Amino acid sequence: NAGVTQTPKFQVLKTGQSMTLQCAQDMNHEYMSWYRQDPGMGLRLIHYSVGAGITDQGEVPNGYNVSRSTTEDFPLRLLSAAPSQTSVYFCASSYSGGASNSPLHFGNGTRLTVT
Amino acid sequence: AQTVTQSQPEMSVQEAETVTLSCTYDTSESNYYLFWYKQPPSRQMILVIRQEAYKQQNATENRFSVNFQKAAKSFSLKISDSQLGDTAMYFCAFMYNNNDMRFGAGTRLTVKP
Repeated sequence: NAGVTQTPKFQVLKTGQSMTLQCAQDMNHEYMSWYRQDPGMGLRLIHYSVGAGITDQGEVPNGYNVSRSTTEDFPLRLLSAAPSQTSVYFCASSYSGGASNSPLHFGNGTRLTVT
Repeated sequence: AQTVTQSQPEMSVQEAETVTLSCTYDTSESNYYLFWYKQPPSRQMILVIRQEAYKQQNATENRFSVNFQKAAKSFSLKISDSQLGDTAMYFCAFMYNNNDMRFGAGTRLTVKP
């Protein structure tokens, strides 16, 4: 059982370039989310989805787009990368957003550097 | 807005001793969930323990236990019999609407041999 799979593990971009961070889960979870982790700031929610076709903004959505065409996949798109987007990105999923019997399952993260 | 504060950026403990990590949160909600996650150097996020706000009994998971004080909005993590493998970043997290989990800035714990 693979759980939550993120690709790539590392990425270096130049300012203005675009890219997509991939996230896939094989646990049939309805809820999926993206976080960014910056030193001294913990994890901050970027976007989340409660099911296929449904997405919503989190705490820090600017500069990022998401879509949820299938239950399994939740890609995160950077349309025009900026140095402020240098961070470690985590994808997470759960049956119902992490409550009681359904904790968040995290991928192993993507370290993104924007120069 | 819901906020989570971890006031101890770094802590250390001797192997086999007990250490307590602090966490406070701010919310006007009455029903919510609290979590502690561990992040070792591998970067993986691992759920350590969780607590439902409506439950008065403190959660325990083997060597890990919490002191949940709802009125004080405090949720500390106690690690007993510390092991070298407990060395990691520890994040306190709060969630109330099943969709938005807020994390503290983290506490870096080092267990010394």
